[in-house]
Amino acid sequence: EVQLVQSGAEVKKPGESLKISCKGSGYSFTSYWIGWVRQMPGKGLEWMGIIYPGDSDTRYSPSFQGQVTISADKSISTTYLQWGSLKASDTAIYYCVRGASRAFDIWGQGTMVTVSS
Amino acid sequence: QSALTQPASVSGSPGQSITISCTGTSSDVGGYNYVSWYQQHPGKAPKLMIYDVSNRPSGVSNRFSGSKSGNTASLTISGLQAEDEADYYCSLYTSSSTYVFGTGTKVTVL
Repeated sequence: EVQLVQSGAEVKKPGESLKISCKGSGYSFTSYWIGWVRQMPGKGLEWMGIIYPGDSDTRYSPSFQGQVTISADKSISTTYLQWGSLKASDTAIYYCVRGASRAFDIWGQGTMVTVSS
Repeated sequence: QSALTQPASVSGSPGQSITISCTGTSSDVGGYNYVSWYQQHPGKAPKLMIYDVSNRPSGVSNRFSGSKSGNTASLTISGLQAEDEADYYCSLYTSSSTYVFGTGTKVTVL
């Protein structure tokens, strides 16, 4: 079965760092782009960026460039999304997604990140 | 890149057909045939319903169809059912492997 399995929910304080993960299985991990999508509480979907694990080519939405870092470790079929200094406004559900046919055909279960003092 | 514009809500009675629009500009929707649509039920991850404007992934009901005219893409749900009540988002793939989502539409089955 093709799936993306994300790391568990996180509760952090403002200013702390965080790295969440997304592990792909059931397909050739290095042959598909993996993206990240943010959904703030009660709000819509926002595309953050995408990485090609085969060569680590990475693209970011202008809204998220410089705010987060996307990386991948193809040896363990895992993609990461990380923050250097979290803000309360980073509170959201973060989904990893597989890019195929210029769409997102597989979605992870989502990782809830709560940033609160 | 600005979010694509969708109506906030659309409603219909069981059995009816509804259409959700996704409006952009000649530089985005009008320039690319890479529109996809996603269904999201409360508390769940979104699900791909349509890709490349009008193609359905395996397993998606043929009650869902997509189209595009000029700068506006559309998702039509025919034979509306209670289970179709959800949020729907369009998305566009543009050059250089970047994407943008629509603002989202809440579909209510009356």
